[in-house]
Amino acid sequence: GAVVSQHPSWVICKSGTSVKIECRSLDFQATTMFWYRQFPKQSLMLMATSNEGSKATYEQGVEKDKFLINHASLTLSTLTVTSAHPEDSSFYICSARSVGGQGALRLSNQPQHFGDGTRLSIL
Amino acid sequence: AQKVTQAQTEISVVEKEDVTLDCVYETRDTTYYLFWYKQPPSGELVFLIRRNSFDEQNEISGRYSWNFQKSTSSFNFTITASQVVDSAVYFCALSDNAGNNRKLIWGLGTSLAVNP
Repeated sequence: GAVVSQHPSWVICKSGTSVKIECRSLDFQATTMFWYRQFPKQSLMLMATSNEGSKATYEQGVEKDKFLINHASLTLSTLTVTSAHPEDSSFYICSARSVGGQGALRLSNQPQHFGDGTRLSIL
Repeated sequence: AQKVTQAQTEISVVEKEDVTLDCVYETRDTTYYLFWYKQPPSGELVFLIRRNSFDEQNEISGRYSWNFQKSTSSFNFTITASQVVDSAVYFCALSDNAGNNRKLIWGLGTSLAVNP
């Protein structure tokens, strides 16, 4: 259980292109999804937290207009890299947290389940 | 502020050796969660374990074991009789207690190479 599908797994495109990455929770509902960026041999850097039906919360230093996030349903969040440039080349990973628990414990202890990542290369 | 430190950047062992990956954390929260994730060369992140702050029992899962000690703020991960397939980057993470979003605070990862 708790499978997260991320698509596409890799993208190569020209500078100036906008690229959309999808993150789907296949067998559970996710009110919260996270988008990370990872540079080679480095840790994950949280870019934004995406809540279903509301605006995403971006981390400091992440351009909202550059990285558009839409979380339209409990199973789908998308990240669009607008007008991508070579410096946007990176490994992007999404994760989703399942809705679980009861009362005050709801959401409190569910692990994040990760997609397989998207390798984005901008030429 | 929360922080996770994985002091070992890279570890190299020979197959069948035991290896321990260290994780030290800092938090002011009384309720928190600790995680370990594995990232093999293919890139995907694999969830290994979640431990809440009230449960200090050590856990064993096959060749994997975890030692959680609140007194030293450590959550170390041991692989017994390591295998080549264990080669990966391992991340330790701490859950943020801010609201319901539960952001993860990540360590920098330990790259484990298990050589035949």
